Amino acid sequence: NAGVTQTPKFQVLKTGQSMTLQCAQDMNHEYMSWYRQDPGMGLRLIHYSVGAGITDQGEVPNGYNVSRSTTEDFPLRLLSAAPSQTSVYFCASSYAAGGTYEQYFGPGTRLTVT
Amino acid sequence: KQEVTQIPAALSVPEGENLVLNCSFTDSAIYNLQWFRQDPGKGLTSLLLIQSSQREQTSGRLNASLDKSSGRSTLYIAASQPGDSATYLCAPGGATNKLIFGTGTLLAVQP
Repeated sequence: NAGVTQTPKFQVLKTGQSMTLQCAQDMNHEYMSWYRQDPGMGLRLIHYSVGAGITDQGEVPNGYNVSRSTTEDFPLRLLSAAPSQTSVYFCASSYAAGGTYEQYFGPGTRLTVT
Repeated sequence: KQEVTQIPAALSVPEGENLVLNCSFTDSAIYNLQWFRQDPGKGLTSLLLIQSSQREQTSGRLNASLDKSSGRSTLYIAASQPGDSATYLCAPGGATNKLIFGTGTLLAVQP
């Protein structure tokens, strides 16, 4: 198993540009989520999904869109990048909601918005 | 709103020492608590998952305990090694799998 994979590893955007961060998992996990990590603030939940076709907002959803058309993929879209979105983005997955299962994280995407 | 505090923020110990990392959380209505390790510039590696009904979990030299009613968890590392140097994160989770993270403890084990 490749586990949770994320692309790209690094990205530089100009303010106002849009892009999609890719996340895929090959473990047949129902639950997937996106976090951002900023210095001194810990990881914060952006959006999550409990299965294909079902998504919901986390703690810091503004400026981001998600969709879940397949079990394997959960892309995160930045609609109009802002310097405040400079961060490291992590995707995570687990078998199901209900608090029973361990969550697995991808290697992250380091995004800089200038 | 769940808030998670990890103490100490940084810790430096000589190799071979046993050590304890502390995690406290404000909302005891959790389903589980997960401990992670993060190396510089890398993703998170899951170390231990404790269900809310459990008191502790062990994996090798690591032992995590959970006192849900008092909002506390500890990660005990026995016989520390330089390879244990990393940031350690705790994250209590709810029914919807949402994890709330602390800001971590940066551990340095000196050879």
